[in-house]
Amino acid sequence: AQSVTQLDSQVPVFEEAPVELRCNYSSSVSVYLFWYVQYPNQGLQLLLKYLSGSTLVKGINGFEAEFNKSQTSFHLRKPSVHISDTAEYFCAVRDSGSRLTFGEGTQLTVNP
Amino acid sequence: NAGVMQNPRHLVRRRGQEARLRCSPMKGHSHVYWYRQLPEEGLKFMVYLQKENIIDESGMPKERFSAEFPKEGPSILRIQQVVRGDSAAYFCASSRLSLLAGVEDTQYFGPGTRLTVL
Repeated sequence: AQSVTQLDSQVPVFEEAPVELRCNYSSSVSVYLFWYVQYPNQGLQLLLKYLSGSTLVKGINGFEAEFNKSQTSFHLRKPSVHISDTAEYFCAVRDSGSRLTFGEGTQLTVNP
Repeated sequence: NAGVMQNPRHLVRRRGQEARLRCSPMKGHSHVYWYRQLPEEGLKFMVYLQKENIIDESGMPKERFSAEFPKEGPSILRIQQVVRGDSAAYFCASSRLSLLAGVEDTQYFGPGTRLTVL
């Protein structure tokens, strides 16, 4: 069975500061990794995904993530956040099956 | 370029009533997934369907919940005799390809239906 751990439930930062949202996973097989963002009362929007190839993945809105197989991590980063980045961020993993397994989410709050 | 459509967006039911949630996948997508998000939690997989077939229902509660994806029309998640613990956001996702056997494809999510049971 696979699982996802998002190490921080709340991350408050100031505008224009860098941010890292941490995600670790456990799986006995190769996986695909995803970050989704959820704005209040909305659905999930795909930020970026790692399927294969380069371990550094660039997504929308200036976000990027690095797949580290040895540490089983897929941390999300942005060098300079905006107020509009305030949202809930979910890390998810999928193995060769069809289901996504999600972490508990990290609430990013960007303060002026 | 419509994305995944879900309706209603908000649904209020009294205990014991039935709830029907609808999902229309993205154009060209024939694979549908339902997830449930309880308050303060992440999303949990419920069921995976293709047209007229349930592929994986291992995440569905054993009683009161059912899902279908008919040849024509949207996918339906049906909850009979709702209880307060069913209050949650229910999200539908779709993909173009079958995601079995490690196929590289992505699930795209709809806006969700927020069910409140009084």
